Amino acid sequence: TQLLEQSPQFLSIQEGENLTVYCNSSSVFSSLQWYRQEPGEGPVLLVTVVTGGEVKKLKRLTFQFGDARKDSSLHITAAQPGDTGLYLCAGENTNAGKSTFGDGTTLTVKP
Amino acid sequence: DTGVSQDPRHKITKRGQNVTFRCDPISEHNRLYWYRQTLGQGPEFLTYFQNEAQLEKSRLLSDRFSAERPKGSFSTLEIQRTEQGDSAMYLCASLYGELFFGEGSRLTVL
Repeated sequence: TQLLEQSPQFLSIQEGENLTVYCNSSSVFSSLQWYRQEPGEGPVLLVTVVTGGEVKKLKRLTFQFGDARKDSSLHITAAQPGDTGLYLCAGENTNAGKSTFGDGTTLTVKP
Repeated sequence: DTGVSQDPRHKITKRGQNVTFRCDPISEHNRLYWYRQTLGQGPEFLTYFQNEAQLEKSRLLSDRFSAERPKGSFSTLEIQRTEQGDSAMYLCASLYGELFFGEGSRLTVL
């Protein structure tokens, strides 16, 4: 069974601070996704990383895929209250759409 | 098309009752997925369809659960003889390069 562990489980910071959350696995994935989920809503895809060592930037968010394609990180610069939410990572292998999700990091950004 | 829609958004039922959830995927998305998410956890894969064919079912999908996609468009997920452990958010997603999730159907079994 492939598992994804996310850390920290909860993170509460002040507006303007930087943060990094992590997604780790003992298994290799062909691709890894990061989602953001708000209460009462479904997850929304932020980014997909495919190549080991890949770095993708989405405005203030920077995503990195580990060289061995087993782990990933999400760094947010100058966090804003609108960044508040549950950040989920998910790995895929041969069946696109059949994802293994981590349990997420709940981020709260206080104004 | 406004995305994946799910109905009902919330369902409260008594233990032992049957419930059915409906998912309308984005038009022309051939693959449709059902996931279950309990509080404090990430979504877990339940089953998926390629058009009308159900191609894979998770071991999480006990024999009380049945999913259909009769015409390759909308899908239903039925839970028979509900148990308190079935309380969760049931998420539907359709695939076109990426997964597009609906807003989910939250089930509470009393």
